Amino acid sequence: QLQLQESGPGLVKPSETLSLTCTVSGGSISSSSYYWGWIRQPPGKGLEWIGSIYYSGSTYYNPSLKSRVTISVDTSKNQFSLKLSSVTAADTAVYYCARQVWGHDAFDIWGQGTMVTVSS
Amino acid sequence: QSALTQPRSVSGSPGQSVTISCTGTSSDVGGYNYVSWYQQHPGKAPKLMIYDVSKRPSGVPDRFSGSKSGNTASLTISGLQAEDEADYYCCSYAGSYTFVFGGGTKLTVL
Repeated sequence: QLQLQESGPGLVKPSETLSLTCTVSGGSISSSSYYWGWIRQPPGKGLEWIGSIYYSGSTYYNPSLKSRVTISVDTSKNQFSLKLSSVTAADTAVYYCARQVWGHDAFDIWGQGTMVTVSS
Repeated sequence: QSALTQPRSVSGSPGQSVTISCTGTSSDVGGYNYVSWYQQHPGKAPKLMIYDVSKRPSGVPDRFSGSKSGNTASLTISGLQAEDEADYYCCSYAGSYTFVFGGGTKLTVL
């Protein structure tokens, strides 16, 4: 069955750029039925949608993060990626990638999540 | 785009029913039938429990049901079981291809 796996550095310095990749296995990222999203969860807090991407490259971002976020897709590697610039301690969180079902707008399959700490 | 409002905690005894509310605005919950609910156990990824306000994915027990009235969506869990103890989050489409989550509700099974 389809699985998602996040990867990337667990520690990022303040003001630098956080970079994560989500690898999709057991299915194609190029399916017309799905978007692919990033969601984060600060320690002890709730979920926050960061943004989503379609396999064609169309992107949609949380307005509150839009100026710092870039999501891209590499269909040849069945991966999509997140870049968050100018990070601060407030960006410390577990970052999840998830499959978003087109037409139902729900996140039905999630990666296990990866903890990213922003600290010098 | 503000977070949807959920009670911080709810509780119930095994076998009872509990309802978790999720209040938004006419720009999100009230404007679209794209409300979803997620269950999250400690240290685990969220799991989709309800989508399109009231639909259950395959494998989710029919003890879980969803509804919506105006700007407030609700998740009802009937016949509470110990394994239902978890955090629950609502999520709504908020227009312009954006989404907003609720702050989360901790369900305690007494």
